[in-house]
Amino acid sequence: SQQGEEDPQALSIQEGENATMNCSYKTSINNLQWYRQNSGRGLVHLILIRSNEREKHSGRLRVTLDTSKKSSSLLITASRAADTASYFCATVNNDMRFGAGTRLTVKP
Amino acid sequence: DAGVIQSPRHEVTEMGQEVTLRCKPISGHNSLFWYRQTMMRGLELLIYFNNNVPIDDSGMPEDRFSAKMPNASFSTLKIQPSEPRDSAVYFCASSGVEDGMYEQYFGPGTRLTVT
Repeated sequence: SQQGEEDPQALSIQEGENATMNCSYKTSINNLQWYRQNSGRGLVHLILIRSNEREKHSGRLRVTLDTSKKSSSLLITASRAADTASYFCATVNNDMRFGAGTRLTVKP
Repeated sequence: DAGVIQSPRHEVTEMGQEVTLRCKPISGHNSLFWYRQTMMRGLELLIYFNNNVPIDDSGMPEDRFSAKMPNASFSTLKIQPSEPRDSAVYFCASSGVEDGMYEQYFGPGTRLTVT
């Protein structure tokens, strides 16, 4: 069963714009991870943020975590056509549960 | 490293047949996970192993599904008998952290179609 819920379900932007995806969850977590899935492929780990962290950066990615609101956001800056993919958050406590994903389309 | 290897990449079978999916985790990883992905249900964890021992199989849908990990470099997921509702993409993932609750590395998946 899913724990995280991504929002929006689908997002379409122009190349160069920023993309923001949100993840909300219900129970306490140990850490939260974001993964990317290109069509027809397996998931690729992007970034992990621990429950005692509030923000983390990796290249063009910025992840925030608000444990009081039980939410996280993934920001992709200066998007590229190659960023087109589905993005999933995964919440970790005693197990790892994935959300339904956000389908991002970046138009060249 | 070649990453997580899954075979076959595609499988088409008739209802009632036995299906065996195979996975080779990344060398040195001691956690292995089997997931199923469908449009309706998203990504579901079926079972995971730590050091070849099944830890949590609560996600296995029913007795028709079974998974084994006879050694650190090989795992199978078997469906017997298969049904059309088993059609999905099945992913294997491995992790170098014992409880697997950190970064997981996914294989390319096996797309199963049961007719």
